[in-house]
Amino acid sequence: KQEVTQIPAALSVPEGENLVLNCSFTDSAIYNLQWFRQDPGKGLTSLLLIQSSQREQTSGRLNASLDKSSGRSTLYIAASQPGDSATYLCAGLNAGGTSYGKLTFGQGTILTVHP
Amino acid sequence: GAVVSQHPSWVICKSGTSVKIECRSLDFQATTMFWYRQFPKQSLMLMATSNEGSKATYEQGVEKDKFLINHASLTLSTLTVTSAHPEDSSFYICSARRVVDYGYTFGSGTRLTVV
Repeated sequence: KQEVTQIPAALSVPEGENLVLNCSFTDSAIYNLQWFRQDPGKGLTSLLLIQSSQREQTSGRLNASLDKSSGRSTLYIAASQPGDSATYLCAGLNAGGTSYGKLTFGQGTILTVHP
Repeated sequence: GAVVSQHPSWVICKSGTSVKIECRSLDFQATTMFWYRQFPKQSLMLMATSNEGSKATYEQGVEKDKFLINHASLTLSTLTVTSAHPEDSSFYICSARRVVDYGYTFGSGTRLTVV
């Protein structure tokens, strides 16, 4: 059964810092890995989607990498801003096993960026 | 980009009544939609997978008769919480899987409060 772990669980940084959020998964049989952002009381906003054949994706100040062999993905946020404060979730789309075709989510990293 | 509209965003109902939540893909066809439940400070829990024109597939432990799912068209899935009780109070989120890249687009969520 796929398990996704996110480290750290919470992160508080001053504005302007570059930061890295980590995501690890136990089963490398994934179609893709997606990073989401969730603001309190809201749905999920897709940030980046990395297909299993890709190594990284970039969007503005965000860069996500994927290493299937080691079961890891990282989300890099450059020059953080208070508006980046949210919960960040990674999720793998399973390509095998009992969770085939389903997303497995990590528990999330709560990011707070101080002005 | 792909957008999923979810309504209502919040609802308060009396115990014993039924509540319907709609999830609509606005600019793409979604043969598969998913319904999640989220408890405070927790990640998303998959409740069921909704396939257009067929019966939904429920996760273990989810009551089929309590949570009725209908996916009558390629753009609309509905979740009906029947005979709601206070323990059904939660945040419900739908998502649709895009055929083009197998990425997921989420609705904005529905906060259900049963009094």
